[in-house]
Amino acid sequence: DTAVSQTPKYLVTQMGNDKSIKCEQNLGHDTMYWYKQDSKKFLKIMFSYNNKELIINETVPNRFSPKSPDKAHLNLHINSLELGDSAVYFCASSPNRGRIGNQPQHFGDGTRLSIL
Amino acid sequence: GIQVEQSPPDLILQEGANSTLRCNFSDSVNNLQWFHQNPWGQLINLFYIPSGTKQNGRLSATTVATERYSLLYISSSQTTDSGVYFCAVEPLSGSARQLTFGSGTQLTVLP
Repeated sequence: DTAVSQTPKYLVTQMGNDKSIKCEQNLGHDTMYWYKQDSKKFLKIMFSYNNKELIINETVPNRFSPKSPDKAHLNLHINSLELGDSAVYFCASSPNRGRIGNQPQHFGDGTRLSIL
Repeated sequence: GIQVEQSPPDLILQEGANSTLRCNFSDSVNNLQWFHQNPWGQLINLFYIPSGTKQNGRLSATTVATERYSLLYISSSQTTDSGVYFCAVEPLSGSARQLTFGSGTQLTVLP
């Protein structure tokens, strides 16, 4: 009954490959996010989707393409992987602001991506 | 955008000691969360505390929204408290919800 689940937990692949990370939440939240944690442990927002629509798209290379088939899922597809993409990617979800009062964001366990 | 500063960046304690971690932010916030990133990399949500004081066991947190800071108190620290503690805030302005994280406090509790 995990609230926000990501797969896979670990992903090791070679430079130039294309890979996807999946995220699902069973909390009934409207908004889902992808955050990236770099090698210095700094966490930064990448994307935010609200009810399947892209809301936030920070300065992320267009090799990264989020896809939200429904509001419970937000997948991250990465084309032509580069060494600098090695990081931990976290998925999160939250209700809309003010819908049922202010509520925290809930995070998945992260996907550790290593590029060889 | 909003700035979030955490202090100290590193903290080493002996088991049983108490500690205070600080988070300063540069603008009014709608949301403030404290997280503990454990050695396995999981982000554990400790507190959702945009204002006021909360306690959970040996941990407590206080946010003084008018003065734009939050404190996380750890009492009687244990080795399992080791890890990185992050403060993250969501600015009051703007319609989109997104958290801006501080750079974290690396806590090491020695046996």
